[in-house]
Amino acid sequence: KAGVTQTPRYLIKTRGQQVTLSCSPISGHRSVSWYQQTPGQGLQFLFEYFSETQRNKGNFPGRFSGRQFSNSRSEMNVSTLELGDSALYLCASSLGGNRGRSYEQYFGPGTRLTVT
Amino acid sequence: AQKITQTQPGMFVQEKEAVTLDCTYDTSDQSYGLFWYKQPSSGEMIFLIYQGSYDEQNATEGRYSLNFQKARKSANLVISASQLGDSAMYFCAMREGFNTDKLIFGTGTRLQVFP
Repeated sequence: KAGVTQTPRYLIKTRGQQVTLSCSPISGHRSVSWYQQTPGQGLQFLFEYFSETQRNKGNFPGRFSGRQFSNSRSEMNVSTLELGDSALYLCASSLGGNRGRSYEQYFGPGTRLTVT
Repeated sequence: AQKITQTQPGMFVQEKEAVTLDCTYDTSDQSYGLFWYKQPSSGEMIFLIYQGSYDEQNATEGRYSLNFQKARKSANLVISASQLGDSAMYFCAMREGFNTDKLIFGTGTRLQVFP
């Protein structure tokens, strides 16, 4: 069974540009969550999607947005990049229910974004 | 407000010995879940173990066990028979409620296993 995949793995952008990151969940998983990891702030929740609906959102500015497609694949977009957006962006997927082992979230390898 | 506290920035353990990584949590919700993840230097977060707030028995997954003390709001990870490959960052996380996958993470503990 293939794991969570994220593309691209590495990205270098300049300030002011925008970027789109992609996440393909494990087959059958309907929930996708995104996290930002930085040395200073640690792991912070960005947003969560379940069956194409945003179910929860973290405390990030509106420059950060996301969406989920009917096949459960998800994208996140960051517009008007700032130096502080340099981070490892992690995506996680789960079955999305509340029974059995649906709570288990599996993470992808992450996309390392560098903003110069 | 929900919070996860990991007070050990770094831990050392000798190969084949057991080690306990501490985690305390704060929540006003009665329904919550506690997770431990391992993050090697490659960056990927690896799910280790889960404990639900209503689970009466401590969770175990192979060499990993979770010492759940609800009254103390602690969820310590015990790794038995440490291996060199266990060297990594370990994060404790909490999910509040059961209709979300949102996780609140602690700051992590860097575990180093030496021969």
